[in-house]
Amino acid sequence: KAGVTQTPRYLIKTRGQQVTLSCSPISGHRSVSWYQQTPGQGLQFLFEYFSETQRNKGNFPGRFSGRQFSNSRSEMNVSTLELGDSALYLCASSLAGVETQYFGPGTRLLVL
Amino acid sequence: AQKVTQAQTEISVVEKEDVTLDCVYETRDTTYYLFWYKQPPSGELVFLIRRNSFDEQNEISGRYSWNFQKSTSSFNFTITASQVVDSAVYFCALSLGTYKYIFGTGTRLKVLA
Repeated sequence: KAGVTQTPRYLIKTRGQQVTLSCSPISGHRSVSWYQQTPGQGLQFLFEYFSETQRNKGNFPGRFSGRQFSNSRSEMNVSTLELGDSALYLCASSLAGVETQYFGPGTRLLVL
Repeated sequence: AQKVTQAQTEISVVEKEDVTLDCVYETRDTTYYLFWYKQPPSGELVFLIRRNSFDEQNEISGRYSWNFQKSTSSFNFTITASQVVDSAVYFCALSLGTYKYIFGTGTRLKVLA
């Protein structure tokens, strides 16, 4: 079974731009979660989607948004990028959200 | 409040030594799940184990073993006869069934040849 895939793997953007990251969950998994990992803040929960509905959200500004499609694929968008948004963005999938989450390889975003 | 504490920021051991990574959690919920993940330099979090709050049995998987003690709110992870390939950052996480994990800050393990 293929694992969680994330695209792109690396991104370089400049301040003020926006970015969209994509995540394809393991086949059959309907829950997708997003996390931001930085050296200073560690792993921080962004949001979780199940059947195209956001069920939980972390403490991030409105510039961070996401969505899930009917095939369970998910995207997250960050608008008006700031230097502090430079991070590894990890996507995880699970069957329904409360079981074990399996993580993708992440997208490394660098904001200049 | 829910919290996971991994007090050990970094541990260095020589190959073949045993090493224990500590994890202390806080929650008032009676139903919860605890996890350990490994993050090698590539960045991907690799699932190692999951325990629910009703299962305090210790578990051994090869060189890995886990000790879950509700009385001390701890879920410690021991690697026996460590190897260089064990070098990674290890995360402990707590889930309350609210669709998000609460991660500890991680312990960086360096195994020296």
